[in-house]
Amino acid sequence: GAVVSQHPSWVICKSGTSVKIECRSLDFQATTMFWYRQFPKQSLMLMATSNEGSKATYEQGVEKDKFLINHASLTLSTLTVTSAHPEDSSFYICSARAPGLARTDTQYFGPGTRLTVL
Amino acid sequence: SQQGEEDPQALSIQEGENATMNCSYKTSINNLQWYRQNSGRGLVHLILIRSNEREKHSGRLRVTLDTSKKSSSLLITASRAADTASYFCATGRLSQKLVFGQGTRLTINP
Repeated sequence: GAVVSQHPSWVICKSGTSVKIECRSLDFQATTMFWYRQFPKQSLMLMATSNEGSKATYEQGVEKDKFLINHASLTLSTLTVTSAHPEDSSFYICSARAPGLARTDTQYFGPGTRLTVL
Repeated sequence: SQQGEEDPQALSIQEGENATMNCSYKTSINNLQWYRQNSGRGLVHLILIRSNEREKHSGRLRVTLDTSKKSSSLLITASRAADTASYFCATGRLSQKLVFGQGTRLTINP
């Protein structure tokens, strides 16, 4: 149980276009989802915390108009990278937390989405 | 900012040997978690230890936590080639975000 999926697993786009990444909790309801960004051989940097039905909370330095997050249901959160530029190329990972599961502090991670902006 | 600092940054050992990774953190925590990440993949949760626990086992994994020293260690016994991955510690407070360390890249040589 506690499976999180991401779609797409990789995407290549042209500079200036927008890209949407989906994060789904497949077998549980996720009241809170998190979006991370990871550069090669580096750790995960939290971008924002997404709560179902409310606005996302962004970390300092993350542009909310650049990275749009929508958590419309208990099983789906989306991250849209607007007007993407090459510096936005990265590995984006989502995670989900479910209060109903035994380990309430555990986050379950998706497999990640590799974004390449040309 | 990253709270967890991991040591070593990279570790290469022979299959069958034990691997030990350390994590230090700065502020008070509710729990500390260890995750594994295979190259280009998402993170897999390994083990969670709460602040009132000192040691926890899961299969070949042994985690210790010393809150007085603000440090934790992950021991993988009888390592296998499949254990090759990056390992991250993450500190958390109840119902709040996790803060990840820089990670240890573990390579198991056959």
